[in-house]
Amino acid sequence: DTAVSQTPKYLVTQMGNDKSIKCEQNLGHDTMYWYKQDSKKFLKIMFSYNNKELIINETVPNRFSPKSPDKAHLNLHINSLELGDSAVYFCASSQDYGGFTFGSGTRLTVV
Amino acid sequence: QKEVEQNSGPLSVPEGAIASLNCTYSDRGSQSFFWYRQYSGKSPELIMSIYSNGDKEDGRFTAQLNKASQYVSLLIRDSQPSDSATYLCAVTGTASKLTFGTGTRLQVTL
Repeated sequence: DTAVSQTPKYLVTQMGNDKSIKCEQNLGHDTMYWYKQDSKKFLKIMFSYNNKELIINETVPNRFSPKSPDKAHLNLHINSLELGDSAVYFCASSQDYGGFTFGSGTRLTVV
Repeated sequence: QKEVEQNSGPLSVPEGAIASLNCTYSDRGSQSFFWYRQYSGKSPELIMSIYSNGDKEDGRFTAQLNKASQYVSLLIRDSQPSDSATYLCAVTGTASKLTFGTGTRLQVTL
């Protein structure tokens, strides 16, 4: 049973489209995150939700909108995709100050 | 100044040697410290966590933390080719935010 699962694994889309990435965790963790890993492999936090409440919102274009229907799910919707949005997006979850568990990543390519 | 700094490498060590990976952080209020390993095309995998000053050993891995110097390191003993990966230092400060360094690429040569 995968602890943190995200779909799809690969996403290729044209500029201007709207797309969503889904994430689910079965670890019972209270906090979930979206991270973006760019071409230089730098992992940068985008959003964090604790029990469905947004607690971290880094400097991210408002084309990116997270949604947490319950504490086990955190989805990411991206409007009007741009070339610069191409990256690998990782979902993660954690409990208290413990280590994070990451999903397998979604490689987004905007053409 | 970056919040978490690492030398990007590559750090090349022969098989069987000790690999030493270093990391410094800027937030003195940081509370939790982690080392993640990331193979190419894969997600980061937690290998060590450390919360108080001193050393913590787990198998071939030893994490060292010095809060006064704002320094955390990872030693890998008896390095194996399978240890070749990027090692990410990560630090948790306020608001449960995990901030990563840019990673050090380790190459273990035969």
